[in-house]
Amino acid sequence: AQSVTQLGSHVSVSEGALVLLRCNYSSSVPPYLFWYVQYPNQGLQLLLKYTSAATLVKGINGFEAEFKKSETSFHLTKPSAHMSDAAEYFCAGSDRGGADGLTFGKGTHLIIQP
Amino acid sequence: KAGVTQTPRYLIKTRGQQVTLSCSPISGHRSVSWYQQTPGQGLQFLFEYFSETQRNKGNFPGRFSGRQFSNSRSEMNVSTLELGDSALYLCATKPGGGANTEAFFGQGTRLTVV
Repeated sequence: AQSVTQLGSHVSVSEGALVLLRCNYSSSVPPYLFWYVQYPNQGLQLLLKYTSAATLVKGINGFEAEFKKSETSFHLTKPSAHMSDAAEYFCAGSDRGGADGLTFGKGTHLIIQP
Repeated sequence: KAGVTQTPRYLIKTRGQQVTLSCSPISGHRSVSWYQQTPGQGLQFLFEYFSETQRNKGNFPGRFSGRQFSNSRSEMNVSTLELGDSALYLCATKPGGGANTEAFFGQGTRLTVV
């Protein structure tokens, strides 16, 4: 079984600053990896996904993530934070067979300071 | 194209009762998964249905069950409700069964057990 760990339950950045949200996975076989965003009282929306085609993945709203097998990481970044980025972000993994559905990290609450 | 629809949005039940939640997938989506989201445990996989068959199951007691109909709509049932079942229940749907495809989430049903 795999696990997904997100470092930092809360991250605060200034508007216009770099956003970095950390995610590490634990799996003997690199899984499929996803980043989702959740706004208050909403479901989850996919930002981007890694499915082994390319290690640098670009997503919506200016976000991107890089898969690093040597570090078992899939950190999410955005060069310049916007107030509308304030939300809860979840990293999730799925093994190749999907037997356990998506395994989610605990989430990181992103706070944008004006 | 309509998104994933979950009904009802909010529900209050008493301990010991049972509850049924409904999920209508995006047209053409055949895979429906259910997740429980709580502040303490985060997002946890309940089960997945594909073409009316339960394909995968998470680590939840037998009080949690589900089914899928021929039109791909799905219901989940929780019997003998406990206070700890209070949570946001999210449904996620996909066109097929591939683990690398995007899951589209509904807005969830917030269940409160009193």
